[in-house]
Amino acid sequence: EVQLVQSGAELKKPGESLKISCQGSGYSFTNYWIAWVRQMPGKGLEWMGIIYPSNSKATYSPSFQGQVTISADKSISTAYLQWSSLKASDTAIYYCAVKVAGTFWGQGTLVTVSS
Amino acid sequence: DIQMTQSPSSLSASVGDRVTIACRASQGINNFLAWFQQKPGQAPKTLIHAASNLQSGVPSKFSGSGSGTDFILTISSLQPEDFATYYCQQYYSYPWTFGQGTKVEIK
Repeated sequence: EVQLVQSGAELKKPGESLKISCQGSGYSFTNYWIAWVRQMPGKGLEWMGIIYPSNSKATYSPSFQGQVTISADKSISTAYLQWSSLKASDTAIYYCAVKVAGTFWGQGTLVTVSS
Repeated sequence: DIQMTQSPSSLSASVGDRVTIACRASQGINNFLAWFQQKPGQAPKTLIHAASNLQSGVPSKFSGSGSGTDFILTISSLQPEDFATYYCQQYYSYPWTFGQGTKVEIK
């Protein structure tokens, strides 16, 4: 069974850094692209970017290029989304998703940025 | 970027109704389209991939059709558990993009 398990909720202050994770199981982690999706409070889904764990090649949406970094560690079947300096507007739920004959989703990570 | 436009943005329907939601792409995307259902406080759930393929475990009351620029999600007989927000997504070219969502509410 394909599963994506994300790290827990985070409460951070503006300007702080953060790295959240998404661990895959039940499929060949290195062979499928993993995407990250943002959902701001009360809003729709926004595609942020995607990574191929085999070679860590990442592609970003122009809206998120330079704002976040997507990475992966194939030795532990885990993808990451990180920020170097959070803003209040980064408050959202972040989902990872993998397309393996259809899309499988993580449970989401709530990130709250508040002073 | 490819723009995905869903219609309607919201609809009210009764239990047992047949419901259709449309999704239009700003350029051709072949059949690289997925449909998702999201309930409040939950992660999205995949219903359809490749425009018309039912995700494993999804009931057959859901169906998808279309190719190119115009796509339809149909719920054959709406049940209480189907009241949710539905999104389409193209994965033909980067950046992959979502429609704005269609909220299905109880009449």
